[in-house]
Amino acid sequence: DVKVTQSSRYLVKRTGEKVFLECVQDMDHENMFWYRQDPGLGLRLIYFSYDVKMKEKGDIPEGYSVSREKKERFSLILESASTNQTSMYLCASLSAGAAREQYFGPGTRLTVT
Amino acid sequence: KNQVEQSPQSLIILEGKNCTLQCNYTVSPFSNLRWYKQDTGRGPVSLTIMTFSENTKSNGRYTATLDADTKQSSLHITASQLSDSASYICVVRGLQAGTALIFGKGTTLSVSS
Repeated sequence: DVKVTQSSRYLVKRTGEKVFLECVQDMDHENMFWYRQDPGLGLRLIYFSYDVKMKEKGDIPEGYSVSREKKERFSLILESASTNQTSMYLCASLSAGAAREQYFGPGTRLTVT
Repeated sequence: KNQVEQSPQSLIILEGKNCTLQCNYTVSPFSNLRWYKQDTGRGPVSLTIMTFSENTKSNGRYTATLDADTKQSSLHITASQLSDSASYICVVRGLQAGTALIFGKGTTLSVSS
């Protein structure tokens, strides 16, 4: 079974703090993604990575950065957390193949106060 | 602009009844379409993936159909159960290199006893 794990299910941080969200996948997938999910807006892509040390901006990269030092690990960084970054954050990885399956982690509910 | 529209936004049905969720997309050229189920507070889990050449795909009580000509897909749930209460998300991938997955905003289904 593919496993995508995220470091925390729930996180509470203060405005201005630096926040690290970690994601690990165990299937040797090249592609990894970070999304945020907000009511009424669906999933929105923040950043994705198609290889180690490679990254691409998604639809809403502002206020975020990412790090992919190892193939299995993709980190999302909030340099200075703000209240509008309160959200559910979902990590995903994508398998190879014709109908490529994307597997999601359980999500991290981040609250910035 | 590539878009994925889902309807209805929310739906309430009685346990044991059938229901159909709709997904219309404008993504072109098209590679594949996925339906995910997302329980509250959890990451999405894949139900089906269909390529452009497939018209229907089943996964237990879930049956997805695809009409690539009209760019429409539906997810039919048979004999609903309380555990079917969730959000159902339609996701489309384009064929062009670098096309990210396009997410619909989901349909929230509530099954009541």
